[in-house]
Amino acid sequence: GQQLNQSPQSMFIQEGEDVSMNCTSSSIFNTWLWYKQDPGEGPVLLIALYKAGELTSNGRLTAQFGITRKDSFLNISASIPSDVGIYFCAGHGGSNYKLTFGKGTLLTVNP
Amino acid sequence: DTAVSQTPKYLVTQMGNDKSIKCEQNLGHDTMYWYKQDSKKFLKIMFSYNNKELIINETVPNRFSPKSPDKAHLNLHINSLELGDSAVYFCASSRQGGYSTDTQYFGPGTRLTVL
Repeated sequence: GQQLNQSPQSMFIQEGEDVSMNCTSSSIFNTWLWYKQDPGEGPVLLIALYKAGELTSNGRLTAQFGITRKDSFLNISASIPSDVGIYFCAGHGGSNYKLTFGKGTLLTVNP
Repeated sequence: DTAVSQTPKYLVTQMGNDKSIKCEQNLGHDTMYWYKQDSKKFLKIMFSYNNKELIINETVPNRFSPKSPDKAHLNLHINSLELGDSAVYFCASSRQGGYSTDTQYFGPGTRLTVL
């Protein structure tokens, strides 16, 4: 089945720093999504990418859909303490209804 | 307004018991999902229903039985609970599924602990 490799697994940064995380896949996806999960909550969609090469921003967040359709990255600029959480990439593709998730990046921001 | 809601939020039970988790969405979506998140936070799909019809059934023990009485509800019944069933279970919904690029909206999760 489709698998997503998400890195890094965890990051510890100082408030104000920029953050970058990425996902790579062994197969092509039609859609790349980035979710954030706060403790005790369900994942919440941050950015959705629908076309290869697409670069989309949402406030301090920027994500890109790789040209090969097998990768995506998420950047967070000028991090703040409320950015703390687990960030998941997810890919949607093929003829089924499945959304495949990466294993998550745990972000800790030190104030 | 709660888009995707689940009950209960927490469920603690003994091994061997049977329990149910309920999910409701008020978004008018056609497709609903159940995911399991293990202790390492890995999210894996279990089931998906589109307009009350089962369309995804991953390799899940048949002790797990989803039921969709209507397209706004997808309940998960678990028989003969085992220690390994302890996890957080998330319900999600999307407007459509398949080739669509519709976003999946997640509920707040149900933390199941089997003792």
